[in-house]
Amino acid sequence: EPEVTQTPSHQVTQMGQEVILRCVPISNHLYFYWYRQILGQKVEFLVSFYNNEISEKSEIFDDQFSVERPDGSNFTLKIRSTKLEDSAMYFCASILRQGNTEAFFGQGTRLTVV
Amino acid sequence: AQSVAQPEDQVNVAEGNPLTVKCTYSVSGNPYLFWYVQYPNRGLQFLLKYITGDNLVKGSYGFEAEFNKSQTSFHLKKPSALVSDSALYFCVYSSGNTPLVFGKGTRLSVIA
Repeated sequence: EPEVTQTPSHQVTQMGQEVILRCVPISNHLYFYWYRQILGQKVEFLVSFYNNEISEKSEIFDDQFSVERPDGSNFTLKIRSTKLEDSAMYFCASILRQGNTEAFFGQGTRLTVV
Repeated sequence: AQSVAQPEDQVNVAEGNPLTVKCTYSVSGNPYLFWYVQYPNRGLQFLLKYITGDNLVKGSYGFEAEFNKSQTSFHLKKPSALVSDSALYFCVYSSGNTPLVFGKGTRLSVIA
């Protein structure tokens, strides 16, 4: 069964450093997402990406965050200058089309900012 | 605001007993509703979805959910709980052209 893969599984970084979280979505999917989950709590939407551009973003997704799909397969989330409160589990998801199809999630990257 | 609500933070059930994890929705139009499960230290796995048609939908691992329009509910159920069902369960909503919106989650604990 096709799956979404994320690397690394765990990233520890110092406050103020840049991090890049990587995702390989399912190959024929068209929509890509990043979500985050703090301390096993609610899953929060960050950003959606379609047709090589951001289609929607939340208030959380400020100027410190960026996404790109550099080579048509990888989908990355960059945090330019990490803060302690960025510590969370970050999930990548992909979906064939929005609405009535389920999203497939990766296993997540646990980001710890120290 | 369009949303889903999970009124229980925690549900405890004895192994072999039926389980219900509650979800209500507050949306306009016809919602697309999903249940996802998160096992400890794992990602999010799709369980089932309601799009249209039969109000009772069946999903993975013996789970089912009933869409009730009059009560605006989409409760997750299983006739006989297993210890391995212990996990965090999310009710999720989509309007069709928006990203998935997650409920806060309900932690299910099945006791042997």
